[in-house]
Order: sequence, then C-alpha cells, then structure tokens
Amino acid sequence: EPEVTQTPSHQVTQMGQEVILRCVPISNHLYFYWYRQILGQKVEFLVSFYNNEISEKSEIFDDQFSVERPDGSNFTLKIRSTKLEDSAMYFCASRQLAGVTNEQFFGPGTRLTVL
Amino acid sequence: GNSVTQMEGPVTLSEEAFLTINCTYTATGYPSLFWYVQYPGEGLQLLLKATKADDKGSNKGFEATYRKETTSFHLEKGSVQVSDSAVYFCALSDSKETSGSRLTFGEGTQLTVNP
Repeated sequence: EPEVTQTPSHQVTQMGQEVILRCVPISNHLYFYWYRQILGQKVEFLVSFYNNEISEKSEIFDDQFSVERPDGSNFTLKIRSTKLEDSAMYFCASRQLAGVTNEQFFGPGTRLTVL
Repeated sequence: GNSVTQMEGPVTLSEEAFLTINCTYTATGYPSLFWYVQYPGEGLQLLLKATKADDKGSNKGFEATYRKETTSFHLEKGSVQVSDSAVYFCALSDSKETSGSRLTFGEGTQLTVNP
C-alpha cells in the first residue's frame, strides 16, 4: 500500500542552524501539507502546496520557513535559522484530489530537536 | 476561526469496556469532521469521517455521528481491545472547496487499554 515517507525520523540541530525536512508523498497525489506538533500541544497546520506553489499558510509559517518540491517526488520544509521553539514533531501529508472529503495521508513524522 | 476541543486525557480502560471520547467544534459554514488515530511510532491514520450533519462515520467498530445542533462528533466503541491503544485526534476541515482545506485538530486523547 502506498504511503507517505519522511526523513530523517529524528533531527538534532543547534539554534540558528538551517534544517531541511524531507517528505516523499504518495506518487499520484497533487496536494501536499506540513503540520507540526509541539510536545503536549495540538497538531497545527503550517502550509499547503499545490501546482508548485503555496496555496495556504498559517501565521506560524513566517519568513523562516519555506517549502519546495525540487524534483517531482520530494517535498521539503526548510527552516532557515532554527529557534528553540521550533522543536516539535513535523508531519507531512498528501492528498490526491481537491475537496474537503478527500483524505489526507500522513507520514510518520520527523522529530526536530533544537538545542 | 475554526477550533476543535477534545475531552481531557489520558483515558485508561479495561479490555471490552465501552469507550467515549468527546469532541466539540467551532466552525463557520459546514465543515467535514474526522477522527485520526496515531499508533506508537506511526503517522496519523484516518479512522473515520463524516461530511454533513447527521452522517455517521464508522470503521473497525468505532463510530461517530456529526451533530450540528450540539456541534459535536464524539467517538464511541462498544468493546475496546488492547490493540486500540493509541492517540486519537478529532479534526475538521472547512467547507471551502479549495486546494488548501487545512485540517484543524483537537488536542489528542491518549487511550490505553489494559488486558
């Protein structure tokens, strides 16, 4: 069964460093998402991406964040200069079609620890 | 804005007990409602969904009914098993048929079922 994969499973970085979190969505999906979950808090939407551009972003997704689909299979989230408060679990998701009734498929997440 | 509130957790039950996890929401328009489950070490998986008022979603013995009058989508199962131990997330997606359709999540409820 096709699935969303994410690498690495755990990333440790120093404050101020750049990190890139990688996702491989399901191959025939067209819509891509990043969410994050700070320990003990809700899963929060960051950004959605369609047709090679951002379609929606939350207030969390500031200039420190960027997304890219560099090669038609990977979908990446870059944090330019990490802060302590960026420590969280980051989930990638993808969806085949438009419409709220269509399921988003989630990856297992990348745990980011900023020291 | 949209919001989802789940019952305070965690929940610990004995095998074959009845499960209820409460979920209420605030949204404009007519959102779709979802329950996602996260097993240890895995990503979020869709458990069930309902897209309009009075719809009942069901899967693997779990069910939830979309109640517009009480803005609720409580998850129930008549007889839980040890394998149901996981974190359960209630979520909504707003009714706009856009490529975004972000998910708004509740806090998550940790369920532990003891033999």
